[in-house]
Amino acid sequence: DTAVSQTPKYLVTQMGNDKSIKCEQNLGHDTMYWYKQDSKKFLKIMFSYNNKELIINETVPNRFSPKSPDKAHLNLHINSLELGDSAVYFCASSQFLGNTEAFFGQGTRLTVV
Amino acid sequence: AQSVTQLDSQVPVFEEAPVELRCNYSSSVSVYLFWYVQYPNQGLQLLLKYLSGSTLVESINGFEAEFNKSQTSFHLRKPSVHISDTAEYFCAVSEDRGSTLGRLYFGRGTQLTVWP
Repeated sequence: DTAVSQTPKYLVTQMGNDKSIKCEQNLGHDTMYWYKQDSKKFLKIMFSYNNKELIINETVPNRFSPKSPDKAHLNLHINSLELGDSAVYFCASSQFLGNTEAFFGQGTRLTVV
Repeated sequence: AQSVTQLDSQVPVFEEAPVELRCNYSSSVSVYLFWYVQYPNQGLQLLLKYLSGSTLVESINGFEAEFNKSQTSFHLRKPSVHISDTAEYFCAVSEDRGSTLGRLYFGRGTQLTVWP
């Protein structure tokens, strides 16, 4: 059973489109995250939700909007996609906010053309 | 500001040789330390972690890392590498309090390539 699963794994889309990436965790964790890995493999946090409440909101363009319908899901919606949004997006979860490790999904490779 | 520095972007070694991947961090509060491994086209997998207690931590596949508070380092070592260890390794830090609680700060990664 996959602990943290993301869909889709690959996403190719045109500039200006709106797209969503879905994430689900079956670990019973309270906290979920979105990280972005750029073309140089640098990872940076975008958002964090704890018990469906937004905790961390980095300086991300407001075209990016996370949504957590329940503790097990954290989706990422992106409006008006730009070339610079091309990256690998990782969903992650941790047992609770703080001193525990994060479990990562397989990533979604987004390519904007 | 919190930061994580991985001094080597690429480390090529021959099979069965020892390896050390270096990681230094800066933080004004206590930290938790992690090493993650990323195989090609895959997600990140936790390799080992330091939360508290013994400063030497080990993984099930022979890697170890030592937390050195005075040098603010968490270097990863393996006495004898295998070709299957070829991957990107990321050092990460999280702080145990404050507004940044729960956030992982990553280094820029070290590509370990093991040659036969």
